[in-house]
Amino acid sequence: AQSVTQLDSQVPVFEEAPVELRCNYSSSVSVYLFWYVQYPNQGLQLLLKYLSGSTLVESINGFEAEFNKSQTSFHLRKPSVHISDTAEYFCAVKLNNAGNMLTFGGGTRLMVKP
Amino acid sequence: SQTIHQWPATLVQPVGSPLSLECTVEGTSNPNLYWYRQAAGRGLQLLFYSVGIGQISSEVPQNLSASRPQDRQFILSSKKLLLSDSGFYLCAWSIGTTVDEQYFGPGTRLTVT
Repeated sequence: AQSVTQLDSQVPVFEEAPVELRCNYSSSVSVYLFWYVQYPNQGLQLLLKYLSGSTLVESINGFEAEFNKSQTSFHLRKPSVHISDTAEYFCAVKLNNAGNMLTFGGGTRLMVKP
Repeated sequence: SQTIHQWPATLVQPVGSPLSLECTVEGTSNPNLYWYRQAAGRGLQLLFYSVGIGQISSEVPQNLSASRPQDRQFILSSKKLLLSDSGFYLCAWSIGTTVDEQYFGPGTRLTVT
């Protein structure tokens, strides 16, 4: 069975600083990878996804994530964060031969301070 | 465009009372539907998923149940709530292909007192 580990439960950072939210997964088969963002008291929104092709994927609000197969990682990065990026971020994995089931990590709370 | 609704948005219920949370999807047909629970300080736990009317799969044993009486309606129920049922309940849908992502509703905050 696959699992997803988000190593940091909370990441405090100052505004305009760079940030990296770490995600590692374990799977013996190829996977699809997702990052979701959850603002307070709201549902999850898809931030970006890796299905195939280029290992670097980007979102419209400046986040990017890189799929590293050898390290089984899909870390999320942003070179300069804003106060509005404060939210909980979830990494998720789907096996490419296992229907529609997503396995989520435990989440990382990004706290951007002025 | 597709939208997903959940109600109520918040709910406070005493221990032992029944529960009914509703989720509906608009703008798509025959979606896969999912119920997740997010407990305080924890990640998402998949509770139930459904690939069609009357077809429900349970991921964890508990005092909750789910039903899908219509194609785009998914209901989460309990006959007797426990304190441990408190949490944020999220409904999601997907179109059913291998590579599609799931789309989440706004959630229901349930507090069992």
